[in-house]
Amino acid sequence: EPEVTQTPSHQVTQMGQEVILRCVPISNHLYFYWYRQILGQKVEFLVSFYNNEISEKSEIFDDQFSVERPDGSNFTLKIRSTKLEDSAMYFCATGRSLLSLGYFGPGTRLTVT
Amino acid sequence: DAKTTQPNSMESNEEEPVHLPCNHSTISGTDYIHWYRQLPSQGPEYVIHGLTSNVNNRMASLAIAEDRKSSTLILHRATLRDAAVYYCILRDAMNYGGSQGNLIFGKGTKLSVKP
Repeated sequence: EPEVTQTPSHQVTQMGQEVILRCVPISNHLYFYWYRQILGQKVEFLVSFYNNEISEKSEIFDDQFSVERPDGSNFTLKIRSTKLEDSAMYFCATGRSLLSLGYFGPGTRLTVT
Repeated sequence: DAKTTQPNSMESNEEEPVHLPCNHSTISGTDYIHWYRQLPSQGPEYVIHGLTSNVNNRMASLAIAEDRKSSTLILHRATLRDAAVYYCILRDAMNYGGSQGNLIFGKGTKLSVKP
């Protein structure tokens, strides 16, 4: 069964550094999402991406965050200057259509020190 | 998207059926009912979704009340691997201009399965 993959599985970075989290979607999927989950808390929506542009973003997704699909396959989330509170699991999700949701990757654990 | 209410936790015995309830009294006519689960240290996993009729798939069944104000996820024979947090989420399929596919997760129901 096809699956979403994410790299790295764990990233440790110092406060103020830039990080790029990578996701390889399922090949025929057109809708891409990033979510995050701070330890012990709810899964939170960050951003949705379709047709090479952001469809919607949450309040969490401020100017420090950006997404792109640089080579038509990988889908990346960049945090320009990480803060301690960015420490969380970051999940990529992809779907074939608006209703066809639900393929989540295994996540990247980001630790900001 | 409309809000859902789920019990914080439930317990089940292995190989017995589990009925996970969800209340969504403010559901609109175009809201789909989605269920996801999150196993420990993993990403959320799609389980099932429906609109009005009951639905079955290889993982579970979804029973939707006639007035659609509540639904129940049914695991026919719980296994230890089914221990997870189960989320009931509503999504308005007609809201293309708004939440295009994003899911609003609540706290869900933490299901424990005893051997």
